[in-house]
Amino acid sequence: DTEVTQTPKHLVMGMTNKKSLKCEQHMGHRAMYWYKQKAKKPPELMFVYSYEKLSINESVPSRFSPECPNSSLLNLHLHALQPEDSALYLCASSQELAGWYEQYFGPGTRLTVT
Amino acid sequence: QQQVKQSPQSLIVQKGGIPIINCAYENTAFDYFPWYQQFPGKGPALLIAIRPDVSEKKEGRFTISFNKSAKQFSLHIMDSQPGDSATYFCAASMFAGAQKLVFGQGTRLTINP
Repeated sequence: DTEVTQTPKHLVMGMTNKKSLKCEQHMGHRAMYWYKQKAKKPPELMFVYSYEKLSINESVPSRFSPECPNSSLLNLHLHALQPEDSALYLCASSQELAGWYEQYFGPGTRLTVT
Repeated sequence: QQQVKQSPQSLIVQKGGIPIINCAYENTAFDYFPWYQQFPGKGPALLIAIRPDVSEKKEGRFTISFNKSAKQFSLHIMDSQPGDSATYFCAASMFAGAQKLVFGQGTRLTINP
């Protein structure tokens, strides 16, 4: 099973709201990722957690706050977002095995900021 | 040097034809090259991947050709079907504590019936 699940599928929020995106995987992967994808563009890396510790932050604004409560869960807390933050937010997980790093993506959360 | 250049941007092929999508990279530290397929409103799905010690890899109708000296790799889709119509992304990565994928800009492929 190579499934990464994300909730909610769609989210509409105002610029003063606080909301959270949730991601879950049960493949035993020890690395988890958040990406942002705008229309007709490739996914853009935001954060990487490795063994539940934040290992990469791609200079993401502080209105995005990641959290990794355990090895299967990844959250993205959202606060005071801007309309330009509207995008598809993708979670992914991966495991390095003998030089292969298969990274699997979830279906994404479509976020609209009004 | 971290870029992956992908071409063409869009491609239209008749059913049964062989679309070819090309990618080029500069960083010789990259050691893993996956291709992803993405349908509208869905997350990217891992299609096939290759490491630089192999020149070709086939999985079903999908083939990656890899030219290490030219720092180029390509995806071929044999006997293409309308259901293959999607956006395809090539990527390159290396592992340094965590995997960081560098994506190409994507190719929007349309297979006409």
